[in-house]
Amino acid sequence: GQQLNQSPQSMFIQEGEDVSMNCTSSSIFNTWLWYKQDPGEGPVLLIALYKAGELTSNGRLTAQFGITRKDSFLNISASIPSDVGIYFCAGGDNNDMRFGAGTRLTVKP
Amino acid sequence: DADVTQTPRNRITKTGKRIMLECSQTKGHDRMYWYRQDPGLGLRLIYYSFDVKDINKGEISDGYSVSRQAQAKFSLSLESAIPNQTALYFCATSDPGQVIEKLFFGSGTQLSVL
Repeated sequence: GQQLNQSPQSMFIQEGEDVSMNCTSSSIFNTWLWYKQDPGEGPVLLIALYKAGELTSNGRLTAQFGITRKDSFLNISASIPSDVGIYFCAGGDNNDMRFGAGTRLTVKP
Repeated sequence: DADVTQTPRNRITKTGKRIMLECSQTKGHDRMYWYRQDPGLGLRLIYYSFDVKDINKGEISDGYSVSRQAQAKFSLSLESAIPNQTALYFCATSDPGQVIEKLFFGSGTQLSVL
């Protein structure tokens, strides 16, 4: 089956720093999604990517669909305390969506 | 009120007990899903349903069963709970009219099997 590798597993950063995380797949994906899970809540969609090379922003968040269709990146600029949470990538097709293991982000004020 | 509501939020049970986790939604979506989350493993799909008469196994369906009682309700059962089913369980919905399968999650049920 499709395997997703998400890194890093965790990050500890100072408020104001930029953050980068990525996901790679053993297979080609048609879709990449990035979700954020706040403590005690379910994941919420941040960004959806539809085609190879696409670069999409949502406020301080920017995500890219890799040219090879086997990877995706999420960047957070100028982090703030409320960025704390677990970030998940998800990729695949509509009927076969797989999730990465998540990147746990801690932001120190 | 939440669009996707899961009950209970927390449950502690013993090995061998039958457990039902419930999910209801007010989003009007046809598609509903059950996932489990384990530390370091992300979210894995247990079962999904594209409409009331449609039930499909996901990646890790063994030891679980589901019932789609209505468009708005999708329950997950553990017929005989075992300790390695201790996890955080999420219900989700999606709208097939969208180009991309965006999932809307409930707040989760933390299940502990002793």
